[in-house]
Amino acid sequence: DIQMTQSPSVLSASVGDRVTLNCKASQNINKYLNWYQQKLGEAPKLLIYNTNNLQTGIPSRFSGSGSGTDFTLTISSLQPEDFATYFCFQHNSWPGTFGGGTKLELK
Amino acid sequence: VQLVESGGGLVQPGKSLKLSCSASGFTFSSYGMHWIRQAPGKGLDWVAYISSSSGTVYADAVKGRFTISRDNAKNTLYLQLNSLKSEDTAIYYCARGYSGDYWGQGVMVTVSS
Repeated sequence: DIQMTQSPSVLSASVGDRVTLNCKASQNINKYLNWYQQKLGEAPKLLIYNTNNLQTGIPSRFSGSGSGTDFTLTISSLQPEDFATYFCFQHNSWPGTFGGGTKLELK
Repeated sequence: VQLVESGGGLVQPGKSLKLSCSASGFTFSSYGMHWIRQAPGKGLDWVAYISSSSGTVYADAVKGRFTISRDNAKNTLYLQLNSLKSEDTAIYYCARGYSGDYWGQGVMVTVSS
């Protein structure tokens, strides 16, 4: 199975900061990497699909990049509602696998 | 788009449970569907996927114990959980499509004696 490793596990930042979250696959997953945001007590929400495609309704301050094994989610200017946990998910090959998550917290 | 899970609850180890995910607001038969779970305080764990043509794939941890199925006439996705273990305790979510673009609110399954 493909292992997905997210870093850092916790990121402290301030409103207005530019932040980058990382996701590394144990083998090539081409472009098949999604990013989800989860707030406490809520279901996850799709932000980015297939590495760099912004899901409908998601603000343009979110962007994704990468290929092969290394991927990033960037938030260009943090807003108060962005403090949450972020998960990456590979669907290049079954079984699909999630990263362990990055908790973005207020500094 | 709305996805509503049901059927969760408290069940003893070794017993069975059947979860449902009722879909509305889109053409259910045209989409593959996932089940994904999350143990309390933990990360996300992909469980199973069924394609629009009813092809299925499972995580190793549930293969042979869980069965994903769908009834397009009822716009409903199912997950049959057999031989339940304590480590199956989690919130179970259904999600639409290969990319999981919409998720239900989840249903809690607790496996305990």
